[in-house]
Amino acid sequence: NAGVTQTPKFQVLKTGQSMTLQCAQDMNHEYMSWYRQDPGMGLRLIHYSVGAGITDQGEVPNGYNVSRSTTEDFPLRLLSAAPSQTSVYFCASSYWAGQANEQYFGPGTRLTVT
Amino acid sequence: GENVEQHPSTLSVQEGDSAVIKCTYSDSASNYFPWYKQELGKRPQLIIDIRSNVGEKKDQRIAVTLNKTAKHFSLHITETQPEDSAVYFCAASIPGGSQGNLIFGKGTKLSVKP
Repeated sequence: NAGVTQTPKFQVLKTGQSMTLQCAQDMNHEYMSWYRQDPGMGLRLIHYSVGAGITDQGEVPNGYNVSRSTTEDFPLRLLSAAPSQTSVYFCASSYWAGQANEQYFGPGTRLTVT
Repeated sequence: GENVEQHPSTLSVQEGDSAVIKCTYSDSASNYFPWYKQELGKRPQLIIDIRSNVGEKKDQRIAVTLNKTAKHFSLHITETQPEDSAVYFCAASIPGGSQGNLIFGKGTKLSVKP
């Protein structure tokens, strides 16, 4: 099993550009989520999903969209990149039976917005 | 909403000493408390977790204790080794409809000096 994979590993964008961060998992997990990690701020939840066709907002959703058309994939879209979105982005997945369980993280995408 | 405070933000110990990291949470309905280790440039990985129906859990040199009354939980690492050097994050589950979600502390950078 590859676990949770993310692409790209690094990305530089100019202000106003849009892009999609890809995330996929091969563990048949219902729950998937996106976090951003900034120095001294820990991991903050952007969006999450508990199954195909179901998504919801986390702590810091503004400026980001998600969709979940399959169990395996959970892409994160930046609509109009801003310097404040410079961060490391992690995708995670877990088994979900109505309660929290171990989350498996992808390797991360380091995004710089100039 | 749920809030997680983590202390200290940095911790330096000599090899062989013990290290203790403490977290407090605000919502008494939280029922899952994982600890993640993140090495420099890597993804967070679960090292131990505990549910609210258990007071203590051990795995070799690592233990977690939970005090539900005081709403705090702690990570204990005994006989520390240089490879324990990393950033450690605590987290608590968010009660209610989004029960798969976690809120993370801001992290503790542990340095183990040989």
